[in-house]
Amino acid sequence: EVQLVESGGGLVQPGGSLRLSCAASGFTFSDHYMDWVRQAPGKGLEWVGRIRNRADSYTTDYAASVKGRFTVSRDDSKNSLYLQMNSLRTEDTAVYYCVRDSGTYYLDYWGQGTLVTVSS
Amino acid sequence: QSALTQPASVSGSPGQSITISCTGTSSDVGSYNYVSWFQQHPDKAPKLMIYEVSNRPSGVSNRFSGSKSGNTASLTISGLQAEDEADYYCTSYKSSSTPFVFGTGTKVTVL
Repeated sequence: EVQLVESGGGLVQPGGSLRLSCAASGFTFSDHYMDWVRQAPGKGLEWVGRIRNRADSYTTDYAASVKGRFTVSRDDSKNSLYLQMNSLRTEDTAVYYCVRDSGTYYLDYWGQGTLVTVSS
Repeated sequence: QSALTQPASVSGSPGQSITISCTGTSSDVGSYNYVSWFQQHPDKAPKLMIYEVSNRPSGVSNRFSGSKSGNTASLTISGLQAEDEADYYCTSYKSSSTPFVFGTGTKVTVL
């Protein structure tokens, strides 16, 4: 059974930093691209960023709204995905989901999400 | 990253069929057969219901079906049940550097 478990969310002041983690199990983590998707309170879903697998050189892509501030990384030896968030803004307040990329242009399995609140 | 357009709400009575539209552009929905649909119950993670326009993952009821015409994709729920009451989001592949654009979301209410 595919499982994705996020952690690391919490309250942070504007301008601060936070690192989210996602522990994966139930599939061959190293084979898959992995993504982060967020959802602001009462709002829709927004794709945040992606990291490809080793075969595709672990390259990354980001939404314009977070580019230059957020960094997606992974550790295949630990079956873990990370999201380093710097220079946080109030508009970054959201539930952040770790999501498995099927490998054929769709997202299939989602974690339960972790809430990040940016507020003074 | 412009969102795909969905109706804010759709409602129906138990047993009826409803259809949710998802309108994009020739750069996303119109260019690729990579439209997916997700169901999200309150305070829960999204669940994949349809992928690649019309394919259902294992375990998803055959009451859910998808289609696409031009720049608009659609999700149809037939034999509406109380458990179908949820938010639904479409998404489409867009490009290698911006792989996923989501719809604005539709709240489905079972009357």
